[in-house]
Amino acid sequence: KQEVTQIPAALSVPEGENLVLNCSFTDSAIYNLQWFRQDPGKGLTSLLLIQSSQREQTSGRLNASLDKSSGRSTLYIAASQPGDSATYLCAVSYGQNFVFGPGTRLSVLP
Amino acid sequence: DTEVTQTPKHLVMGMTNKKSLKCEQHMGHRAMYWYKQKAKKPPELMFVYSYEKLSINESVPSRFSPECPNSSLLNLHLHALQPEDSALYLCASSQEGHPETQYFGPGTRLLVL
Repeated sequence: KQEVTQIPAALSVPEGENLVLNCSFTDSAIYNLQWFRQDPGKGLTSLLLIQSSQREQTSGRLNASLDKSSGRSTLYIAASQPGDSATYLCAVSYGQNFVFGPGTRLSVLP
Repeated sequence: DTEVTQTPKHLVMGMTNKKSLKCEQHMGHRAMYWYKQKAKKPPELMFVYSYEKLSINESVPSRFSPECPNSSLLNLHLHALQPEDSALYLCASSQEGHPETQYFGPGTRLLVL
């Protein structure tokens, strides 16, 4: 059974810092990995999708990498802003399933 | 249009009520999903419809009954729910199954009294 974990569970940083969020999965037979952002009580916003054949994807200040063989992905956020405060979830597409990690709660302090 | 819409935004129902949640997308996606999310927990997959046919049912109790009337619409019919069913119910869609980005709706926050 696929299990997805995320470290750290929570993170508080001052504005302007660069930061890294980590995601690990137990079964490397994934089709893709997706990073989402969720604001409190809201739905999920897709940030980046990395196909299993890819190593990284970039969008603006966000960069996500994937090492399928070691079962790891990282989300790098450059020059963090207070508006980046949210919960960040990674999810792997596995078989016909889609398994989420528990999320990292990020607070960026002005 | 990359939007998935869900109605209602909030729903309060008693344990004997029957209600329905609705989800709609006009992106031409052929796969649609229902997730349940409890507070401070990740979403958990409930159902997957692919080409309007139910392809995954993650052992969800029968008091939840999905329906896909056409490729743009997905309903979740609720009957005789329990208080522990209170959660945020999220709908998502994707082009076709697993290799594609999933787009999520804003969710329906359900409270069962």
